[in-house]
Amino acid sequence: AQTVTQSQPEMSVQEAETVTLSCTYDTSENNYYLFWYKQPPSRQMILVIRQEAYKQQNATENRFSVNFQKAAKSFSLKISDSQLGDTAMYFCAFVSNFGNEKLTFGTGTRLTIIP
Amino acid sequence: SQTIHQWPATLVQPVGSPLSLECTVEGTSNPNLYWYRQAAGRGLQLLFYSVGIGQISSEVPQNLSASRPQDRQFILSSKKLLLSDSGFYLCAWSAGGRGGLGGYTFGSGTRLTVV
Repeated sequence: AQTVTQSQPEMSVQEAETVTLSCTYDTSENNYYLFWYKQPPSRQMILVIRQEAYKQQNATENRFSVNFQKAAKSFSLKISDSQLGDTAMYFCAFVSNFGNEKLTFGTGTRLTIIP
Repeated sequence: SQTIHQWPATLVQPVGSPLSLECTVEGTSNPNLYWYRQAAGRGLQLLFYSVGIGQISSEVPQNLSASRPQDRQFILSSKKLLLSDSGFYLCAWSAGGRGGLGGYTFGSGTRLTVV
């Protein structure tokens, strides 16, 4: 079974700074997808970014980018020019290309942007 | 466009009472549907998923059950609630036919407190 580990329960950073959230995962498969979800205080889960394991290029979405290290099974999220609206829980998630497409989530990192 | 509706938003129920949470999806056909639970300070745990009407897969043995009486309707139920059933419940959907590889879209969640 796949597991997803987020070792940073909480982080805080000053507004406009850059912050990196860590995620590692364990799988024996070669084809899979990784995600970062954001859960603001409203608790609505929002998809931030998606990475396909067979693509070497790191995904980017505006101020959000990932550092995908397949051999190390590492998938970190970098938020540049952080804004107050980035304050949220961030969840890393994994889904295999095989089987029934069940997303496995990490335990989350609570990120606070300090004004 | 596709939308997902989940209700109620908040629910306080006594121990031993029944439960019914409903989720509906609009704007798509034959979606994959999921129920997750998020306990305080923990990640998201997959409870049930469904790939079609009447097809329910359970991930963990528990006091809850799920049903899918219509293509775009997913219901989470319990005959007798336990204190341990308290938590935040999220419904999600993905497109059928490997659409889950693109990630899920989540409802706004139900905060259940069992007293």
